[in-house]
Amino acid sequence: QVQLQQWGAGLLKPSETLSLTCAVNGGSFSNYYWTWIRQPPGKGLEWIGEINDSGNTNYSPSLKSRVTISMDKSKNQFSLKLTSVTAADTAVYYCARGSYGVDYGFDSWGQGTLVTVSS
Amino acid sequence: EIVLTQSPGTLSLSPGQRATLSCRASQSVSSNYLAWYQQKRGQAPRLLIYGASTRATGIPDRFSGSGSGTDFTLTISRLEPEDFAVYYCQHYDRSLYSFGQGTNLEIK
Repeated sequence: QVQLQQWGAGLLKPSETLSLTCAVNGGSFSNYYWTWIRQPPGKGLEWIGEINDSGNTNYSPSLKSRVTISMDKSKNQFSLKLTSVTAADTAVYYCARGSYGVDYGFDSWGQGTLVTVSS
Repeated sequence: EIVLTQSPGTLSLSPGQRATLSCRASQSVSSNYLAWYQQKRGQAPRLLIYGASTRATGIPDRFSGSGSGTDFTLTISRLEPEDFAVYYCQHYDRSLYSFGQGTNLEIK
């Protein structure tokens, strides 16, 4: 049973860089898409981007210029960096596992990290 | 970019009743890549249905999905108290993922 555990700074100032990491425990790192999704308070879900086990990345067009997703296969971890944050980036950020086996759905999720951007 | 529109925004029903949630795509999509999630307050979403109609592991059979083209439906046959939550549809197409805005299923 795979578990995703995530961590990172929860309070940022405008223009700073958001940095989150997600550890994949109890499951294979291979043959999945490792994904970041966010949810502003009281709003819906927004896909940010993904990385596969070959290191290939794919980002939302609306965030592409500010996002980097990377991975450390030796630690079964992947990370999100979002530069030049503003109040609009305030959200709960989730890491998730995307799978061909569930037709590009997300079958495992981290617990979520609330990131607040405020001066 | 495909836009998913869910209706209704809020659905008020009682336990034991049948719930029908709709997800409409802005253009015809492959039903292979349409999924549904349940999200309870303060929790991460949980995958319910993928491929438009296949239940994910451990999902009770009172949950069912159907549809094709632009119109998809999530049906909960008999509502249990734990089913009251927000439900999202999600689609994958050409390396892009999109979510509907959600339907809030609340107790009447």
